Formats: sequence, C-alpha cells, structure tokens
Amino acid sequence: NAGVTQTPKFQVLKTGQSMTLQCAQDMNHEYMSWYRQDPGMGLRLIHYSVGAGITDQGEVPNGYNVSRSTTEDFPLRLLSAAPSQTSVYFCASRLPGLASGELFFGEGSRLTVL
Amino acid sequence: TQLLEQSPQFLSIQEGENLTVYCNSSSVFSSLQWYRQEPGEGPVLLVTVVTGGEVKKLKRLTFQFGDARKDSSLHITAAQPGDTGLYLCAEQYGGATNKLIFGTGTLLAVQP
Repeated sequence: NAGVTQTPKFQVLKTGQSMTLQCAQDMNHEYMSWYRQDPGMGLRLIHYSVGAGITDQGEVPNGYNVSRSTTEDFPLRLLSAAPSQTSVYFCASRLPGLASGELFFGEGSRLTVL
Repeated sequence: TQLLEQSPQFLSIQEGENLTVYCNSSSVFSSLQWYRQEPGEGPVLLVTVVTGGEVKKLKRLTFQFGDARKDSSLHITAAQPGDTGLYLCAEQYGGATNKLIFGTGTLLAVQP
C-alpha cells in the first residue's frame, strides 16, 4: 500500500524561485493537510482541505498556496521562496468527520532555500 | 493562541531505565493524540485519549489523560533503543475539528 506519497524528497531553491510540493494519497481520504517541521517548533499546520474544491488556512499559511481539484492530490505551492521557508514539509491525510482520527503522514520533503 | 507545551525537550537515557514525558495545554483538550516520529519518516499515531482520567497502555508505554483534560503524560517502562525518536502530542485547535495542532516534541535517545 502506497499510503501518502510526497515528491520530491529533497529540493534546493534560490530565493525568489517557485516550486510545487506534490502530495498524493490512495486511501480515499477526504481530509488532507500540510505541515512544516522546524527544530524546536514541532509541526505547524500550513493549510488543510476537507474535500475536493475546499481549502482553508492553518497556523502559518503566509507564502504558501494550495488547491484541491481531486480527492487524491493536494499540492503545496511556494510562489516566491524565501530562506525562512527552509524546512521539512509533511503531507498528512485522514478519514473525514473523525476529528480524533489517525493522521497518516508522508515521509516528508526537505526544502532548502538559499 | 492555544499552546501545547512538551517537557522535557530532550532526554537521553540508558537502556532499561524508565521515563515520563509531559504535554500541557493552556486550554481544555477535547481529545489528545500521541505520535512517534523516527528520523527521516513522518509521525505515526501511538494512541488517542478522550476521557479525563483515562489511562491507556501499549506494551511498555502508558498514556494518561489528566482529570481536567489539560495535560497528558507518556510513561515508558524499561526503555529500549527502539524507543528512540521524537514524541509529539497533538490536539484539536480551539475546538475546530479540522485543525490538529502539535506540541514541540520530546526527543528521546535510548543508549544501549
């Protein structure tokens, strides 16, 4: 079972460049989310989606865009990368309507912005 | 802003020792989850606690939810090197069911 798949696993960008982190899940989960993880700060929620066509902001949404055109995919876009966006990014999904349900995470995408 | 504080931040112990890590909030939890994250991987759910005073056991791990539902603890008995990892607690933010907020984590290293 593939679960949650993130690509790329590693990426180096220059300041001002744009890129998209891809996330796909094959568990038919309606809820999907993006987190960033920085040393000493745990995981912080960037954006989330409760289904196709519906997205909302998390704790740290600035500098990131998302869209949800299908149930399976939830890409995260950086329009103009900044060094402060150097981080490890995790995509996660779960079944709908279960607020205390298990979040399934991808393996992460490590992004460095020079 | 609702905060989840975990302590200690780092813990290095010898194999066979016992340890407890803590998760505290400024507000009442509706439910609380504990995850473990190994290097290079995403977090994996260990347990969900919902009821104040609840105790759950997972082999050598014991999870407790405070009576007032503002704190939780994870106790590991006879730690093993395989327990090494980052332990994270997580709760719903402000009652919103779609925002799961994580604590800062406790990094545990168990030396053989």
